[in-house]
Amino acid sequence: QSVLTQPPSASGTPGQRVTISCSGSSSNIGSNTVNWYQQLPGTAPKLLIHSNNQRPSGVPDRLSGSKSGTSASLAISGLQSEDEADYYCAAWDDSLNGPVFGGGTKLTVL
Amino acid sequence: EVQLVESGGGLVQPGGSLRLSCAASGFSFSDASMSWVRQAPGKGLEWVGRINSETDGGTTDYAAPMKGRFTISRDDSKNTLYLQMNSLRAEDTAVYFCARTHTWWLRSVGQHYYMDVWGKGTTVTVSS
Repeated sequence: QSVLTQPPSASGTPGQRVTISCSGSSSNIGSNTVNWYQQLPGTAPKLLIHSNNQRPSGVPDRLSGSKSGTSASLAISGLQSEDEADYYCAAWDDSLNGPVFGGGTKLTVL
Repeated sequence: EVQLVESGGGLVQPGGSLRLSCAASGFSFSDASMSWVRQAPGKGLEWVGRINSETDGGTTDYAAPMKGRFTISRDDSKNTLYLQMNSLRAEDTAVYFCARTHTWWLRSVGQHYYMDVWGKGTTVTVSS
């Protein structure tokens, strides 16, 4: 059971906008910044968003992150087939003294 | 090219030991904090621990399940990160990733902790 809660699955059609939620608590999301990672099958995770809403170089601006209170979300607009992957949220947890991850959301492009 | 390459994984019996390595290139390894993250088969990501740069004290932190069994170290002269794993259990079976880590604290937003460069991982199987 993960400390951060994500829906196990999400889906959308090409061109649509989808949002993936991540729920935590005051000791993690409520106090610290949130990051998002994408993992394609059989590959290493890739950083998509850090510090709540910052995109590393090379990440398209159709991906965006936001945070409010103890929840965060990742939005993907203009959905493409290559977006089909697992997505993980993460944040530092003050009680556990380490970063915690969500259980992951499998995004399917229909 | 910024790159991390893990090695040292394999099959080990319960109670055994294994040392993983992570060779870094393309960036200033000595200035970087580094983390280990693992992923059990079909499961999500789990933080193992991290080591700070020597400039930041070279301190280490571990997730609770790994404390006392796992040790993270680094050799900046070889641009290499290590994970020594002892008293291995079946539940330690996973792909182990090393990752370059950025971590700092700001009063306004709290703790930043993110991993921006990842290796491809090395597989550890604990089984008799």
